[in-house]
Amino acid sequence: DTGVSQNPRHKITKRGQNVTFRCDPISEHNRLYWYRQTLGQGPEFLTYFQNEAQLEKSRLLSDRFSAERPKGSFSTLEIQRTEQGDSAMYLCASSTPSGQVFISYNEQFFGPGTRLTVL
Amino acid sequence: AQSVAQPEDQVNVAEGNPLTVKCTYSVSGNPYLFWYVQYPNRGLQFLLKYITGDNLVKGSYGFEAEFNKSQTSFHLKKPSALVSDSALYFCAVRGSQGNLIFGKGTKLSVKP
Repeated sequence: DTGVSQNPRHKITKRGQNVTFRCDPISEHNRLYWYRQTLGQGPEFLTYFQNEAQLEKSRLLSDRFSAERPKGSFSTLEIQRTEQGDSAMYLCASSTPSGQVFISYNEQFFGPGTRLTVL
Repeated sequence: AQSVAQPEDQVNVAEGNPLTVKCTYSVSGNPYLFWYVQYPNRGLQFLLKYITGDNLVKGSYGFEAEFNKSQTSFHLKKPSALVSDSALYFCAVRGSQGNLIFGKGTKLSVKP
């Protein structure tokens, strides 16, 4: 399968614990996006990477959240000191094959998501 | 600020009938509009997009969408619905960082 993969698919944690999610984008896609989706809502943008550089963070991304994309390949999203309000589906998407100029209307390809439940 | 609105939480259609899922948008500048579908326990799947040109855009699985600039709408359509089309549909507009700004989604239910 050459699509976007995310691990774990489900995570249950206790309030106050730290969690880390991983996203593996489509090979050689240079743009990687993180979104959060809560029940009954559409996905909301959190942050994105152009290769290894994190270029934008939404106001939704509090200082308890951190994302990395070492070497411009996979990405991790860490949440420290989780709160019950962090319970959501965390989605990763990638776009724009390496070597191509970024085009703003390139479609994004989404992974299956990681469902986080904070007890 | 860019935004999209999906005025219907749910649309019910009988199999074989045409379906329409509504979307309106608000953007500054040229709108780049997208439709995605989400099946249970699966990621969002791209259906189609409008960039420029023809107002009728054809996409995957027999879906199409009609762009209407005067009404700022981008409704998703299919001439003949299938039970397997039952899913959650999201309209989105491109944001300033190339991210997508999604509507709340519309649940499509197709009954046999």
